[in-house]
Amino acid sequence: DAGITQSPRYKITETGRQVTLMCHQTWSHSYMFWYRQDLGHGLRLIYYSAAADITDKGEVPDGYVVSRSKTENFPLTLESATRSQTSVYFCASSDLGGGRETQYFGPGTRLLVL
Amino acid sequence: QQQVKQSPQSLIVQKGGISIINCAYENTAFDYFPWYQQFPGKGPALLIAIRPDVSEKKEGRFTISFNKSAKQFSLHIMDSQPGDSATYFCAASTSRTGRRALTFGSGTRLQVQP
Repeated sequence: DAGITQSPRYKITETGRQVTLMCHQTWSHSYMFWYRQDLGHGLRLIYYSAAADITDKGEVPDGYVVSRSKTENFPLTLESATRSQTSVYFCASSDLGGGRETQYFGPGTRLLVL
Repeated sequence: QQQVKQSPQSLIVQKGGISIINCAYENTAFDYFPWYQQFPGKGPALLIAIRPDVSEKKEGRFTISFNKSAKQFSLHIMDSQPGDSATYFCAASTSRTGRRALTFGSGTRLQVQP
């Protein structure tokens, strides 16, 4: 029962480089989300997806790109990393509907942009 | 614009005491109010949640109190234990849009002293 996994768990990169963070869930949940966690801000939504091939911006989407060709995968790409994107990134999934609202979070990816 | 305001930022409680964390929201379209618990190095996990049609929900030592007219809700942890030491996030979401993402408070770091 793998649940929701993220890779890599830790990443150090340099400004201007492209970075892709991976997220995989085994529940076939329709909804998937990317949040970033920064001290004093809680978790802020970057992008979300309601189903395969359906994605939309969240609160802080600038500098990020997502895709969802398969239900189980939801990669997040930083096209040209900046120091302000140093953060902890969490992927979440949910089978929203029928009163079910729980979002299940992955273990996170700690990203440092030098 | 911070739609969910959480206080206090940090809280120190003695073992056996009551921990109280408060949140206030602005968006009257919110209709789901969960609390998430996060341990260091882990992703957030759902602790307890409430909908606005009830004023209180209790699960074991954890209780949510909800005041719809004041647009406030709070988490009470009775008989606090050292194992409860974690960061707690309140959140809110609305079912009125397709977004269904959570808007988080900034978090409260709880330390329960033995």
